[in-house]
Amino acid sequence: TQLLEQSPQFLSIQEGENLTVYCNSSSVFSSLQWYRQEPGEGPVLLVTVVTGGEVKKLKRLTFQFGDARKDSSLHITAAQPGDTGLYLCAGALKLNDYKLSFGAGTTVTVRA
Amino acid sequence: NAGVMQNPRHLVRRRGQEARLRCSPMKGHSHVYWYRQLPEEGLKFMVYLQKENIIDESGMPKERFSAEFPKEGPSILRIQQVVRGDSAAYFCASSPPSGREETQYFGPGTRLLVL
Repeated sequence: TQLLEQSPQFLSIQEGENLTVYCNSSSVFSSLQWYRQEPGEGPVLLVTVVTGGEVKKLKRLTFQFGDARKDSSLHITAAQPGDTGLYLCAGALKLNDYKLSFGAGTTVTVRA
Repeated sequence: NAGVMQNPRHLVRRRGQEARLRCSPMKGHSHVYWYRQLPEEGLKFMVYLQKENIIDESGMPKERFSAEFPKEGPSILRIQQVVRGDSAAYFCASSPPSGREETQYFGPGTRLLVL
């Protein structure tokens, strides 16, 4: 069983549309990270959120950490084909916990 | 400004052979972590090493698997007498000595295929 559940598992949208990916758990996390992984490559760190309710923006990507620090979302505005990839959330249960728990990921496909 | 480097990128082994996976952390990073990714599953923590020390190997199978991070050279994940179930992508990550250990930077991975 996954400590972090990601939904949806797959998402296919047209260029220019918006999308939201969710990461949920029954556990409280000290921090959550979002990664993007392309086929044949390793996960690339996008952001770390540490405070409940925190919102971080990275160009067209908006990351939110839930108030209770049990969930997070990633919203992409005006998606582009370059946003295609596997989006992974990972959590640390306590401060400086190196043993990250990963979700299974959401595969996002943006069609031109 | 090289990132985490792993080699080989792809490795094919027959059952019973040994697999050696190498990882060089980012410059200035002294903490190394190994994860395994199976199809349709998330990455699973295997082991955490610092130079010449294994800090936590709780995620690594007790038999056939070992890891080291010598004073000089890359970290090595060694799998002896491989079986088909060892086929997976193995990722190494690193973090700096004084930073948050949950902020980890990943290498491109080694895809191991056991025939």
